[in-house]
Amino acid sequence: EIVLTQSPATLSLSPGERATLSCRASQSVITYLAWYQLKPGQAPRLLIYDASNRATGVPARFSGSGSGTDFTLTISSLEPEDFAVYYCQQRRNWPLTFGGGTKVEIK
Amino acid sequence: EVQLVESGGVVVQPGGSLRLSCAASGFTFDDYAMHWLRLAPGKGLEWVSGISWDGAEIGYADSVEGRFTISRDNAKNSLYLQMNSLRAEDTALYYCAKGALVVVVSFFDHWGQGSLVTVSA
Repeated sequence: EIVLTQSPATLSLSPGERATLSCRASQSVITYLAWYQLKPGQAPRLLIYDASNRATGVPARFSGSGSGTDFTLTISSLEPEDFAVYYCQQRRNWPLTFGGGTKVEIK
Repeated sequence: EVQLVESGGVVVQPGGSLRLSCAASGFTFDDYAMHWLRLAPGKGLEWVSGISWDGAEIGYADSVEGRFTISRDNAKNSLYLQMNSLRAEDTALYYCAKGALVVVVSFFDHWGQGSLVTVSA
């Protein structure tokens, strides 16, 4: 099983600041990594797929990068609606696995 | 517009059984793999099971293997999860999700709102 480790667990930032979230895989997932946003009471939302491709309708302030074992989700300037929990997920192998999540909270 | 609507979540006793359903619309259902995932209280997202468009390829998380069974009815645009021998640790919000690719090993581009399963005496 591929283990995904996200850091930090919590990120305290103010609106307008830049957020940098990390996801590290226990073995190479090539670029088969996705990022999701989860807010209470809402369905999870796909943000980025295959490491760097924005999903339909996702604002340009969200960007993904990385390959192999190290990946980053960057939110260039936080909007109020961006405060949420973010998860990475790999599709390199069964079983499909997620990281433990990073909570982006208002400072 | 893609819509996924889960149903069937209830309170059930340990050792009990339950079947979740997911009604899909807004896309060609039998073109895509489908999945169940869950979010337990205080924990992160967990993939539970996935099924290919034709049901020929199926996968399960180790935590549910042998207890849960995924199935689909393409004529009814529906996905199911039969859950047996339920445990307290199965308590979670269960999501139905559409795979983004033809293959089962995929990411998930649309999700339902979830159906709450509580396992408690």
